[in-house]
Amino acid sequence: DQQVKQNSPSLSVQEGRISILNCDYTNSMFDYFLWYKKYPAEGPTFLISISSIKDKNEDGRFTVFLNKSAKHLSLHIVPSQPGDSAVYFCAASEKGAQKLVFGQGTRLTINP
Amino acid sequence: DAGVIQSPRHEVTEMGQEVTLRCKPISGHNSLFWYRQTMMRGLELLIYFNNNVPIDDSGMPEDRFSAKMPNASFSTLKIQPSEPRDSAVYFCASSSVRGRFQETQYFGPGTRLLVL
Repeated sequence: DQQVKQNSPSLSVQEGRISILNCDYTNSMFDYFLWYKKYPAEGPTFLISISSIKDKNEDGRFTVFLNKSAKHLSLHIVPSQPGDSAVYFCAASEKGAQKLVFGQGTRLTINP
Repeated sequence: DAGVIQSPRHEVTEMGQEVTLRCKPISGHNSLFWYRQTMMRGLELLIYFNNNVPIDDSGMPEDRFSAKMPNASFSTLKIQPSEPRDSAVYFCASSSVRGRFQETQYFGPGTRLLVL
C-alpha cells in the first residue's frame, strides 16, 4: 500500500518555464513533508521541506505547496534550468517519527 | 567533510551467494538508515538505528536480510542467500537526532546490486 504517491513517472519542461511536480498521500498522520532530488549514480539530496502547520515554503527557485484537505503537495521550480534535470522524490513522516515514507519518484527533464 | 560512504559501489553476484553491503555514516550522526530503491516500489526504508540500536526493522523483506551496527561509524546490510529479486540500489543515510528533533537525512551514493 503506497502511502505516498507520485503519479507522474516523468515530466518534460522547457528551460525557463515552470516545473510542477505533484505528490499525494493517504496517511492523515503525516505532518512533515520533504522533497529530495537525485542525480544518476548519486544518493538523494534534500531539497526543501514543509511542516503541516504551513501551506507554503519557499527557497529561491523552489516552492513547496501543501494542501492538507486534499492530502496533496506540489513542488514548483521557476525558472527551470538544465541542472534541474533529475529524479525528484516526495517523502513524508508522522509527527515525532524518524521514518520517512517516499514516493516512487518523478524524472524531470529540462529541455534547452 | 566526507559524506556517507558506502562500499562496494557495484556488486554482481550469483543467486545463493552471501552479499554484504557496508556503510560509514557522517561523523557525529547518531542515526543510520538503510533504504532500497527499485523501479516497482521506489525508495523504501528497510531498517534504521539510533545510537547503534535497531529501532525499526519492519521494512526488512525477509529473514534473508540482516543488518548490524557494531559501532557509531560502521554498519552492514547482509543478504544470505541472495536472490535475483534482491537486485536493486541500496542506500545508506545518516542523520543527527536530538530528543524528538531529527535533522535532515544525508544519503550515500548507493550500492547497485545485481543478483544473477
